Amino acid sequence: QVHLHQWGAGLLKPSETLSLTCDVYGGSASGDYWIWIRQSPGKGLEWIGEINHSGGTYYNPSLKSRATISIDGSERQLSLRLKSVTAADTAVYYCANLTVGSPNWFGPWGQGTLVTVSS
Amino acid sequence: QSVLTQPPSVSGAPGQRVTIPCTGSSSNIGAGYAVHWYQQFPGTAPKLLIYDNDHRPSGVPDRFSASKSGTSASLAITGLQAEDEADYFCQSYDTRRSGYYVFGTGTKVTVL
Repeated sequence: QVHLHQWGAGLLKPSETLSLTCDVYGGSASGDYWIWIRQSPGKGLEWIGEINHSGGTYYNPSLKSRATISIDGSERQLSLRLKSVTAADTAVYYCANLTVGSPNWFGPWGQGTLVTVSS
Repeated sequence: QSVLTQPPSVSGAPGQRVTIPCTGSSSNIGAGYAVHWYQQFPGTAPKLLIYDNDHRPSGVPDRFSASKSGTSASLAITGLQAEDEADYFCQSYDTRRSGYYVFGTGTKVTVL
């Protein structure tokens, strides 16, 4: 069973870059599919982007190309970078394993990281 | 932002049956895409509860069931227990939304 542990900075100023890492245990980051999702009181659950085993990425167009998801060389970590953050990016961010379906479904999830954007 | 509509809350006494509707449209549930359900306790991450409309992952009690019809889906909890008090979200896919994956607005289940 895959287990995910997330970490990264939780307090950012407007215009800075959000950077989160998700450690993958019990599986290979490069051998599977992954997704980043965020949750906020105002917007609910929102898909950020996903990465497949071939390194192909797909992003929510509403983020206007600010997001980048990657898998690092150790194959044990995936990362999320979101540039030029604003207060609207304040949310709890989750990484999750993605299972291909129609549509895809998500689980297990990381424990979540609260990211607050404030000047 | 949420495309799938759920009631904010439902409640029931222990042992009762509660249902949570998830209302979509012809561009998501009605287009034939499956519905998945997640359970979330306060301060924790969502957990997959039901996938592909009516399938339970290993370890999910059989008192949880779900169905889909037309442009809607429904999650049922039969024999409600105190430990079922949580938020529940539906999820599907939408052909007209830029975000593709769409989630429900979420329903808080309260055990009286």
